[in-house]
Amino acid sequence: DGGITQSPKYLFRKEGQNVTLSCEQNLNHDAMYWYRQDPGQGLRLIYYSQIVNDFQKGDIAEGYSVSREKKESFPLTVTSAQKNPTAFYLCASSIDPSGREGYNEQFFGPGTRLTVL
Amino acid sequence: QQPVQSPQAVILREGEDAVINCSSSKALYSVHWYRQKHGEAPVFLMILLKGGEQKGHEKISASFNEKKQQSSLYLTASQLSYSGTYFCGTELMYSGGGADGLTFGKGTHLIIQP
Repeated sequence: DGGITQSPKYLFRKEGQNVTLSCEQNLNHDAMYWYRQDPGQGLRLIYYSQIVNDFQKGDIAEGYSVSREKKESFPLTVTSAQKNPTAFYLCASSIDPSGREGYNEQFFGPGTRLTVL
Repeated sequence: QQPVQSPQAVILREGEDAVINCSSSKALYSVHWYRQKHGEAPVFLMILLKGGEQKGHEKISASFNEKKQQSSLYLTASQLSYSGTYFCGTELMYSGGGADGLTFGKGTHLIIQP
């Protein structure tokens, strides 16, 4: 079955530590995204990538880093510079809309809940 | 520019109807609607791209006004399974649908009671 996987589902880290969240997709989608969700809030865009070896900052990129070495993988590193990292992190992917009249549905993975102790 | 969703919360009895609105101060390229159950990932419902467009499947439909600054989601004869938080995600007109990511509203909590 095609889909997006994220691991781990729950993650605990101590203050000052970096941690990497995994996101893998086998949908052959070109674009991938990372969003952060805080309780009672909508999703906010951290980083996105439209193509391998290229990525762009979203609205709240400070304290985060990403890489896109393979089409199917887009890991997110939460660094010690992120002041308040406790949140629900969601990865998504979509087909590049070029040639498809702009319909660009995003499909989400199950999410990783990060708690800083 | 975060879109504004209204109402913040709705409580309905099974079988009643609901309307959720999503408004932007700027013209939008597209509007995406999602439903999220507690602790789970958002599930895609539909996307609207054209001014005046209306779309729907089963008893859930949506519209996008001519100015492309407001979209409404319509839930007809609600079922218990419709409970959850509904989000609209938007792309601004300048983005041209170039996979730049979505800006989401804060969500509308929908509770369906038996």
